[in-house]
Amino acid sequence: QQQVKQSPQSLIVQKGGISIINCAYENTAFDYFPWYQQFPGKGPALLIAIRPDVSEKKEGRFTISFNKSAKQFSLHIMDSQPGDSATYFCAASYSGTYKYIFGTGTRLKVLA
Amino acid sequence: DGGITQSPKYLFRKEGQNVTLSCEQNLNHDAMYWYRQDPGQGLRLIYYSQIVNDFQKGDIAEGYSVSREKKESFPLTVTSAQKNPTAFYLCASSLTGGANEKLFFGSGTQLSVL
Repeated sequence: QQQVKQSPQSLIVQKGGISIINCAYENTAFDYFPWYQQFPGKGPALLIAIRPDVSEKKEGRFTISFNKSAKQFSLHIMDSQPGDSATYFCAASYSGTYKYIFGTGTRLKVLA
Repeated sequence: DGGITQSPKYLFRKEGQNVTLSCEQNLNHDAMYWYRQDPGQGLRLIYYSQIVNDFQKGDIAEGYSVSREKKESFPLTVTSAQKNPTAFYLCASSLTGGANEKLFFGSGTQLSVL
């Protein structure tokens, strides 16, 4: 119940294409869903986050879509660029805890 | 620049040896964390500290120890009891350690066994 399942494990997209990464969870107590971006040899950095009271959040080329009934959320990267090549982690947490449950990560490669 | 500094970037451990990974932050954050990252796995919490002189075990604390004598420092010791220590170790901090706070990560330490 504490797991967050992330797919795909790896993704190759052409420059200008749309990258889509999916995550699914079971614990309905989760109420905060961030995405972290990690470049090789670096620590992750917060990219964008959403709460379940909205179905979509957009920041520049990055959009989170949230489906509460399906217990799924996804990251969409529009107009993908080679500089977006990184590993992306979804995560989930709930009020009253400091703990995050991280997905297993998706390695994205955007071809020039 | 404010941030989290981890050192060393690479570390090698001999069998039976304890090694200590350094983590320093100048963000004035109360909470600090240690995560372990293995290929194909998510980040797993080793230890967590919300205040000086206090820390809590995470999901995979066995074979590790920490101290929090200063607000800005949270060193992690990988002991000889940790039989599979090869991994990428990430230190993080957040403002208070409360729910749903943004985590700030260091650049990590890659630990390998000789």
